[in-house]
Amino acid sequence: AQTVTQSQPEMSVQEAETVTLSCTYDTSESDYYLFWYKQPPSRQMILVIRQEAYKQQNATENRFSVNFQKAAKSFSLKISDSQLGDAAMYFCAYRGKGGNQFYFGTGTSLTVIP
Amino acid sequence: DSGVTQTPKHLITATGQRVTLRCSPRSGDLSVYWYQQSLDQGLQFLIHYYNGEERAKGNILERFSAQQFPDLHSELNLSSLELGDSALYFCASSGGGIDSNEQFFGPGTRLTVL
Repeated sequence: AQTVTQSQPEMSVQEAETVTLSCTYDTSESDYYLFWYKQPPSRQMILVIRQEAYKQQNATENRFSVNFQKAAKSFSLKISDSQLGDAAMYFCAYRGKGGNQFYFGTGTSLTVIP
Repeated sequence: DSGVTQTPKHLITATGQRVTLRCSPRSGDLSVYWYQQSLDQGLQFLIHYYNGEERAKGNILERFSAQQFPDLHSELNLSSLELGDSALYFCASSGGGIDSNEQFFGPGTRLTVL
């Protein structure tokens, strides 16, 4: 079974600074999708960014970007110009192409310090 | 607003009781996923339905069951409730088209078992 590992239970960043959240995964598939979800205190799960494994170019959404290293099975999230509203739990997720299940990591709690 | 609705938002019940959680997916989405999130925990995948058929099972207890109806809404039934079943239960949907490889989460149902 696929596994997703987030080795940083907690991270903190100063407002306006940059922070990188780590995620690694284990799979034998060659084509798959990776996601980062944000869960603020409201507990709503919000999709931040997604990456398709066959695309070499790293995905970017405004201040959020990923560093996708397929060979290393690494998928980190970089948040630039951190804002107070970025404080949340962040989950990394994996889905195989055509797969029936999404696999989530255990999450990283991000604190933004004013 | 993700377009996924869940009812009720909150549910308080006693041990040994049975409850039903309801989920309506986004219009046109054929897949429904159920997750359990206990306090300060990650997302535990429970079950996946696609167009009325069960597609994958995760760590779902035998006391729990689910179904997806012809109108594509889904229900998660939890019976013989225990204190440890207190959690946030999420439903997510995905479907065909350009967005088919990402999940859209509902706001969750917070279940408290006393």
